[in-house]
Amino acid sequence: GAGVSQSPSNKVTEKGKDVELRCDPISGHTALYWYRQSLGQGLEFLIYFQGNSAPDKSGLPSDRFSAERTGGSVSTLTIQRTQQEDSAVYLCASSPRTGSGEQYFGPGTRLTVT
Amino acid sequence: GENVEQHPSTLSVQEGDSAVIKCTYSDSASNYFPWYKQELGKRPQLIIDIRSNVGEKKDQRIAVTLNKTAKHFSLHITETQPEDSAVYFCAASNSNTGKLIFGQGTTLQVKP
Repeated sequence: GAGVSQSPSNKVTEKGKDVELRCDPISGHTALYWYRQSLGQGLEFLIYFQGNSAPDKSGLPSDRFSAERTGGSVSTLTIQRTQQEDSAVYLCASSPRTGSGEQYFGPGTRLTVT
Repeated sequence: GENVEQHPSTLSVQEGDSAVIKCTYSDSASNYFPWYKQELGKRPQLIIDIRSNVGEKKDQRIAVTLNKTAKHFSLHITETQPEDSAVYFCAASNSNTGKLIFGQGTTLQVKP
C-alpha cells in the first residue's frame, strides 16, 4: 500500500517568509509525528498528534513553528518568519497508534532558507 | 531530560566482518528501541526493533540486544556487505508518548 508522502520534496525560501509543509500519513494510522534533521545530524522530535487528543508540542523550537492535523489525517507544519537556522530536512512519520512503536517515515521536505 | 547516546560515530569494516553499534538511554520509562538505516538522501528505514520484555532479537544477519538494567542496547550486523553501508540510528521511546528520541547516528562503511 501507499506509504507516507510529503510535499514539497524541496523548498527554497527567503529569510522572513512563511512556509507550509504537508504530510499524508499511511491510511488508518492514527499517530503522526514531525521530526527535523539538520545536515549530518540525528533526528530531532518536533510535535506529534494522536487521534483527537491535544498534540504534544514539546519539541517545537520556537513559537514560529506550528502544526495542525485536519480530520485525523493530513498534517501541515508551518514555519513563520523563516530563519537560516531553520534549514533542514523535515520528516513526517506515522504509526498505527501511540505506543505501538513502529513509525514509518516519509521522504522528507528539504527546506533551504536563503 | 530524555537522551540517547550512540557510539561510534563512524565505523569502517571489511566486507564479511561484523559491526557493532552501541546506544545508551536515560529515560527509565523507555520500553521500545528501534534501529533505522538511512542511505544518503533517503528516508530512515526501520530495520529491527526490540521491546523491553525481550533481551535479544535476531533477523537474518541483524541482531539487537537490550540490557534494561544498564540502559544499553546494541545492533549487531554479521557478514557485512557493501550494501550495508549507510547511517544507522538508534532510538528509544515509551508507550505513553511514542515519540522517538534518536541517537546521533553511526556512519558505517563496508569496504569490499
